Amino acid sequence: TQLLEQSPQFLSIQEGENLTVYCNSSSVFSSLQWYRQEPGEGPVLLVTVVTGGEVKKLKRLTFQFGDARKDSSLHITAAQPGDTGLYLCAGPNFGNEKLTFGTGTRLTIIP
Amino acid sequence: ETGVTQTPRHLVMGMTNKKSLKCEQHLGHNAMYWYKQSAKKPLELMFVYSLEERVENNSVPSRFSPECPNSSHLFLHLHTLQPEDSALYLCASSPFSDLMNTGELFFGEGSRLTVL
Repeated sequence: TQLLEQSPQFLSIQEGENLTVYCNSSSVFSSLQWYRQEPGEGPVLLVTVVTGGEVKKLKRLTFQFGDARKDSSLHITAAQPGDTGLYLCAGPNFGNEKLTFGTGTRLTIIP
Repeated sequence: ETGVTQTPRHLVMGMTNKKSLKCEQHLGHNAMYWYKQSAKKPLELMFVYSLEERVENNSVPSRFSPECPNSSHLFLHLHTLQPEDSALYLCASSPFSDLMNTGELFFGEGSRLTVL
């Protein structure tokens, strides 16, 4: 099973600040998904990145897939309390395509 | 109706009890999944059903028994659980019956299980 390590594990910042969280692996993934899980809810897909070097923007969220397709980052500009949640990256295992999930980054935005 | 609905949202049970978790999806999807979410651990895939057939049993102990009576419903029957089984159990669905292409997962809100 290919492993996905996310960092930091926990992040607490003030509203209005910028932040970046990371998803890293020693393995190549054909694609990576980012999910956000709000307290008391299930994860919801934010974006899928497919091409090495790809950058996707979702309002204040910018997702980047590494050139070698082994890592990805999520940058949030001017964080809002509504961004609070657990951010999970996930990618299909080579061979069986079952999704492997990362360890998650728990983000708290302080008003 | 929300896409994927799970009941109950919270369940407390003793180690000798028998209980069931229920999942219903209203999205017309072909595949359904059970995941276990524990603190400080990645989401763990437990079972996968595609077109009502179990296609994945990820080395899950027999005290967890899944059932998929039709493409819209998925159950997880629980029997003689251990305290370490306490976790959030998430149900998910995806459009694809071809499990070589999982695509996006649509999750329910989860059932928070506490085993005493």
